Amino acid sequence: SQQGEEDPQALSIQEGENATMNCSYKTSINNLQWYRQNSGRGLVHLILIRSNEREKHSGRLRVTLDTSKKSSSLLITASRAADTASYFCATDSWGKLQFGAGTQVVVTP
Amino acid sequence: GAGVSQSPSNKVTEKGKDVELRCDPISGHTALYWYRQSLGQGLEFLIYFQGNSAPDKSGLPSDRFSAERTGGSVSTLTIQRTQQEDSAVYLCASSLYPGAGANVLTFGAGSRLTVL
Repeated sequence: SQQGEEDPQALSIQEGENATMNCSYKTSINNLQWYRQNSGRGLVHLILIRSNEREKHSGRLRVTLDTSKKSSSLLITASRAADTASYFCATDSWGKLQFGAGTQVVVTP
Repeated sequence: GAGVSQSPSNKVTEKGKDVELRCDPISGHTALYWYRQSLGQGLEFLIYFQGNSAPDKSGLPSDRFSAERTGGSVSTLTIQRTQQEDSAVYLCASSLYPGAGANVLTFGAGSRLTVL
């Protein structure tokens, strides 16, 4: 079973534009994480936001968390062709990490 | 090792055969996960090992699937009597949790299983 649901399923943008994707989840969490996957292989951790935080930044990434709505968003600013990948949110319920279905992002030059 | 190592990277088998997939986590990582990812889909949680605690097997899809972790390190995922619907990429990940305070996973490159 999957805990999170990402929206949209797919996103196509041009270089320089911003990409925003959303994640909704169902149960209580102690943190939410975003991961990136290239070419259907291993995932790479991008950023973590704790349940008592509302916003966090890391380079060109900005993540928000609204625990009352059980939702999070990931913003990638000034996108590059190299940002083309699938992005997954993962909810951490005290040790057990469950992933959503992912958003496939394509950035065209 | 420097990263999470999985083997084999690709496995083609015939329906009904048993397969074993191996995961060698980062040295010192106490938590180990197995996930399954079908083509174009998200990650399906299978099983979670945490230290010496009993594993969380709640994601295993049937009794044909089993996993063990020997000596708190290497893990083997076994699929008996494989079916075509078992075809997927099997991903292993490890973390320092709870030692690091947050469960940030390092993933292996995955084992792609094809059942003919």
